[in-house]
Amino acid sequence: GQQVMQIPQYQHVQEGEDFTTYCNSSTTLSNIQWYKQRPGGHPVFLIQLVKSGEVKKQKRLTFQFGEAKKNSSLHITATQTTDVGTYFCAGPRNFNKFYFGSGTKLNVKP
Amino acid sequence: SAVISQKPSRDICQRGTSLTIQCQVDSQVTMMFWYRQQPGQSLTLIATANQGSEATYESGFVIDKFPISRPNLTFSTLTVSNMSPEDSSIYLCSVGTAQETQYFGPGTRLLVL
Repeated sequence: GQQVMQIPQYQHVQEGEDFTTYCNSSTTLSNIQWYKQRPGGHPVFLIQLVKSGEVKKQKRLTFQFGEAKKNSSLHITATQTTDVGTYFCAGPRNFNKFYFGSGTKLNVKP
Repeated sequence: SAVISQKPSRDICQRGTSLTIQCQVDSQVTMMFWYRQQPGQSLTLIATANQGSEATYESGFVIDKFPISRPNLTFSTLTVSNMSPEDSSIYLCSVGTAQETQYFGPGTRLLVL
């Protein structure tokens, strides 16, 4: 069945360093979504990518959707302590349901 | 956007007992989902709560263990029955479809002793 794999599992960075997490699907996705979960919190929607090769930016965050629509990445430039949390990608399983990636836990040392 | 509340926010329960978790949405929604997030893990879909019909369960989850109610378009409950320590998790309800933003409730943190 369809799976969404995410790497790395953990990332520890010094504040100011960059961070990237990667998401790969075994099948073509109609769209991909990214969520952030702060420690002790719940997942919060960040962005949705729909088009092949799409790139979207939110301040220091850059999201990419691969040309084949099977992979995606989230890149954070110059991390801050407020970026701490777990980042999940999610791909549709059918019209109504998602597969969530395994998540990348980001820790930022001040 | 949708605002979702869950009750209780956390609980500590004894094994063998049951806990019912409530999920309230501030607007009418067609699709409501229940997820489980075990410590340090990703989100696993338990079931889709359907209004007016039985919930649709994912592989590995059964109605006897996780009965779900959906009496109207703004409310749903999930019961964790005959609990064991392996049921210790965060339980989250969400609304939305795979083509839209998913909104999650704050979660219910369950510890089973």
